[in-house]
Amino acid sequence: AQKITQTQPGMFVQEKEAVTLDCTYDTSDPSYGLFWYKQPSSGEMIFLIYQGSYDQQNATEGRYSLNFQKARKSANLVISASQLGDSAMYFCAMREKTTDSWGKFQFGAGTQVVVTP
Amino acid sequence: NAGVTQTPKFRILKIGQSMTLQCTQDMNHNYMYWYRQDPGMGLKLIYYSVGAGITDKGEVPNGYNVSRSTTEDFPLRLELAAPSQTSVYFCASSYLLTGGGPLSNTEAFFGQGTRLTVV
Repeated sequence: AQKITQTQPGMFVQEKEAVTLDCTYDTSDPSYGLFWYKQPSSGEMIFLIYQGSYDQQNATEGRYSLNFQKARKSANLVISASQLGDSAMYFCAMREKTTDSWGKFQFGAGTQVVVTP
Repeated sequence: NAGVTQTPKFRILKIGQSMTLQCTQDMNHNYMYWYRQDPGMGLKLIYYSVGAGITDKGEVPNGYNVSRSTTEDFPLRLELAAPSQTSVYFCASSYLLTGGGPLSNTEAFFGQGTRLTVV
């Protein structure tokens, strides 16, 4: 079963606008972590932001913030003030502490973001 | 620190050939992973390791083998290459306390990837 779902295959956003990338997850483990990665056209995977299941506050890292809604099992990434360099594929990932999944990262299918001038 | 280093960056194989993708990390991470990424798709886990001498299958292990003789190295072996193995391969590493502990600061660090074409 799909553990991480990213329903937006692609999005266009204008420079300086904010964009929200959706991510929903499926787990019965109370202890888990959610991660977002950026993959520009050059191909490398860049870690952006982390949210823990027990964290009381939404994570923020510069222009990146995570809208964490635990009851809805969603962890949407918000990029504020988009820049041309934000054009990339974005992946949501989860790490659980269950016996079967211990230590493994499970990735969503990704969302392609194109920032236009 | 070099982080995670993969070699080679590009490779073309003929059907039936074999090769080893090398992966080394210098961060003393206990976990290491091999993923493949097909065009326009997400990452699928091939194999992973929780420490030297311990490996386990991921979602798509068929056609691959791994070994982990040291903390630093985690090579991926392709035997009898097939066109379906044409993909970009990523090695990654991370740290996790095996007895528990928070998941913060346990993000995966990725190598630059190996683009493999089987013809």
